[in-house]
Amino acid sequence: EADIYQTPRYLVIGTGKKITLECSQTMGHDKMYWYQQDPGMELHLIHYSYGVNSTEKGDLSSESTVSRIRTEHFPLTLESARPSHTSQYLCASRDRDNSPLHFGNGTRLTVT
Amino acid sequence: SQKIEQNSEALNIQEGKTATLTCNYTNYSPAYLQWYRQDPGRGPVFLLLIRENEKEKRKERLKVTFDTTLKQSLFHITASQPADSATYLCALTEMDSSYKLIFGSGTRLLVRP
Repeated sequence: EADIYQTPRYLVIGTGKKITLECSQTMGHDKMYWYQQDPGMELHLIHYSYGVNSTEKGDLSSESTVSRIRTEHFPLTLESARPSHTSQYLCASRDRDNSPLHFGNGTRLTVT
Repeated sequence: SQKIEQNSEALNIQEGKTATLTCNYTNYSPAYLQWYRQDPGRGPVFLLLIRENEKEKRKERLKVTFDTTLKQSLFHITASQPADSATYLCALTEMDSSYKLIFGSGTRLLVRP
């Protein structure tokens, strides 16, 4: 029933490679978010967007960047992957502040 | 410092019993509190939202309470089933930071048949 899609589901990549994690939603939501989650730990907000051409950094410092050229698409890019980037990355969207978040199923990234 | 605390130990209960999960927060002024369910390898799924001026919310077998004096929310699942086994996350939104949801680390629930 998910209307928010993340690809790839799993990615194993070597140090120094550039990667882009894809996130798309079909609900027409203006607000989109990227969270990072390590096993057994809380989700940390790393980026968010209020709409097209709007991007902001979250609370957790991240070397990744995001873009929002279309409402439905919110990709996250790492220019040079490092082992410290190994984590699960979750994308989410909602139609307004304080409404529930709709999450994708995440991308589990391993950097060797 | 600010923190959201959920019991890190798994809650292990017998099928049919009521599961009660706790979420305590420190140094936050939440306007809303939400509960999510997360299964292994999946993103969280929204369950219930409660506002700071509400005491209780129900949805089918689920009930959430919110006590701003105790700085605590309780999440109850009545007549629990093995299919309820998952990790349950609480998350809050502060009055002056409505753009973000701050998550606890979750409590794992195991319901034995």
